[in-house]
Amino acid sequence: GNSVTQMEGPVTLSEEAFLTINCTYTATGYPSLFWYVQYPGEGLQLLLKATKADDKGSNKGFEATYRKETTSFHLEKGSVQVSDSAVYFCALSDNNFNKFYFGSGTKLNVKP
Amino acid sequence: DVKVTQSSRYLVKRTGEKVFLECVQDMDHENMFWYRQDPGLGLRLIYFSYDVKMKEKGDIPEGYSVSREKKERFSLILESASTNQTSMYLCASKQELIYGYTFGSGTRLTVV
Repeated sequence: GNSVTQMEGPVTLSEEAFLTINCTYTATGYPSLFWYVQYPGEGLQLLLKATKADDKGSNKGFEATYRKETTSFHLEKGSVQVSDSAVYFCALSDNNFNKFYFGSGTKLNVKP
Repeated sequence: DVKVTQSSRYLVKRTGEKVFLECVQDMDHENMFWYRQDPGLGLRLIYFSYDVKMKEKGDIPEGYSVSREKKERFSLILESASTNQTSMYLCASKQELIYGYTFGSGTRLTVV
């Protein structure tokens, strides 16, 4: 079946630190992979995506590379800001059935 | 700007009440989804719909039903609310050939 596993939080970093949030997946076929972000009190917003192996998604300084060999899609940012404090969700889309599978979310706290 | 609008941000209902959660999208999307979000469990799919009057069960449909009478509106119904249905409910929509969801801001439901 399809599933997504991401590192448990919370992750607490100082401003300008390097961020990695690990995400691994199990899937049949060739899924697309996504990172969503949820700011306090809001719904989820698409942060970035990758639709095939070796693709790199990027947005707002965040990056993630679709690694088929390690079934991973780790989120990285070189220098986090206080405004990046949010919950981050890794997800995959089963293209055959149009369904999404989400990880449990990782809360990021960035301190000034 | 495209939108998915959920009618209530916060809702408090009594055990046994019939509860309606409304979701409207203005993007002419065919696919709509209802998730619940709980700490440590991430997002779990309750129901989804590919078209008007069409519905499919997700992973946790028990205790819920849905209605899609018009393309833009997808309602989640709790026939007899229970305390274990206290949660954040998120509606999302997706166009057939475009990857990624657009989420509403969520409805935080408390059943007392």
